[in-house]
Amino acid sequence: ETQLVESGGGLVKPGGSLRLSCAASGFTFTIASMTWVRQAPGKGLEWVGRIKSNTDGGTTEYAAPVKGRFTFSRDDSKNTVYLEMNSLTTEDTAVYYCARGDNWYYWGQGALVTVSS
Amino acid sequence: ATRMTQSPSSLSASTGDRVTITCRASQDISTYLAWYQQKPGKAPNLLIYGASTLQSGVPSRFSGTGSGTDFTLTISFLQSEDFATYYCHQYYTYPRTFGQGTKLEIK
Repeated sequence: ETQLVESGGGLVKPGGSLRLSCAASGFTFTIASMTWVRQAPGKGLEWVGRIKSNTDGGTTEYAAPVKGRFTFSRDDSKNTVYLEMNSLTTEDTAVYYCARGDNWYYWGQGALVTVSS
Repeated sequence: ATRMTQSPSSLSASTGDRVTITCRASQDISTYLAWYQQKPGKAPNLLIYGASTLQSGVPSRFSGTGSGTDFTLTISFLQSEDFATYYCHQYYTYPRTFGQGTKLEIK
């Protein structure tokens, strides 16, 4: 059974940085694409992007609002995927979900990121 | 980007009712469509992928149809645990996109 546990969320000031981690278990992480989706308070789901498996090139795709500010990486030895967020604005305030898959998704529980002065 | 438009945005119904939610894509996405259920404070949960394939463990009262640009999610006999928000999601192209959600409330 897929289990995904996000960590690293919290309060950060505008212009600041934060790194989220997502620890995976219950499936073969090394061949899995991993996706990030966010949800602003009271709003719908917004795709942030995905990182393919290293066996599939480890390539990344980013949504336009985060491209150039957010970076995905993964450590297959730790079954963990990371989301590095820089130049944060109040518009980035959301629950960030990591999810297994590149098409349909199996979701973690989410991590709240609040960008506020 | 492919725009996904759900209707209605909200819906009131009673247990035992049959309800249908529609999702329209701004371009042909074949059957590259998934549906998710989300309850307050919880992560979304996969219901259907490939437009009509029921995820393992999802009750058979949920069903999905459609291809191209028009899709539907039907719940055939509403149970109390079905009151939630539902999202469609296309994975035909990047960026992946979601519908705005349909909130299903108790009448």
